[in-house]
Amino acid sequence: RKEVEQDPGPFNVPEGATVAFNCTYSNSASQSFFWYRQDCRKEPKLLMSVYSSGNEDGRFTAQLNRASQYISLLIRDSKLSDSATYLCVVSRRGDKLIFGTGTRLQVFP
Amino acid sequence: DAGVTQSPTHLIKTRGQQVTLRCSPKSGHDTVSWYQQALGQGPQFIFQYYEEEERQRGNFPDRFSGHQFPNYSSELNVNALLLGDSALYLCASSLGGGAGETQYFGPGTRLLVL
Repeated sequence: RKEVEQDPGPFNVPEGATVAFNCTYSNSASQSFFWYRQDCRKEPKLLMSVYSSGNEDGRFTAQLNRASQYISLLIRDSKLSDSATYLCVVSRRGDKLIFGTGTRLQVFP
Repeated sequence: DAGVTQSPTHLIKTRGQQVTLRCSPKSGHDTVSWYQQALGQGPQFIFQYYEEEERQRGNFPDRFSGHQFPNYSSELNVNALLLGDSALYLCASSLGGGAGETQYFGPGTRLLVL
């Protein structure tokens, strides 16, 4: 079983839609949680960190449920430019990053 | 403010050859981590360098080795290349050994082994 599991998608949604991605992690010692975005043939870029209290950055909302070992990302009012692969990432004590396989999002006009 | 840079951008090698990839961390960063990303997969941690020493290592064979220089730049060496080593190799930099710090990725080196 992989340490970080994500639905690979693809998720095909129209512009303006709301889409949610989920991720589960297996190691309860995980302490830091992130969503990274990766465009085709580019490097991953940090989208947002995820906190237990939940956090929001514009159209993006991330939630963490430590009891269920579950992380989510909600994107509201999807834009064409949101098309990318979204990587769920965990780490322990801030050391190596452990990535999920990524969820592909395609937003169409 | 220079971000993370990597060279070369692309590389083609044949089985059995050796390769060296290079990384310069973001200005002010002293920690370099290397990741391998196969097609359709998330990046996999190879190892991390801090204060010129390998601090952590992922589940990769000894064919994968590295080095960090006094200016914090780093090299990844892979010996006896296999077809399965074909991947995007990513370098990430951070500060202070990485604990709790955001890692910033370079554009990667795309390696193809024939």
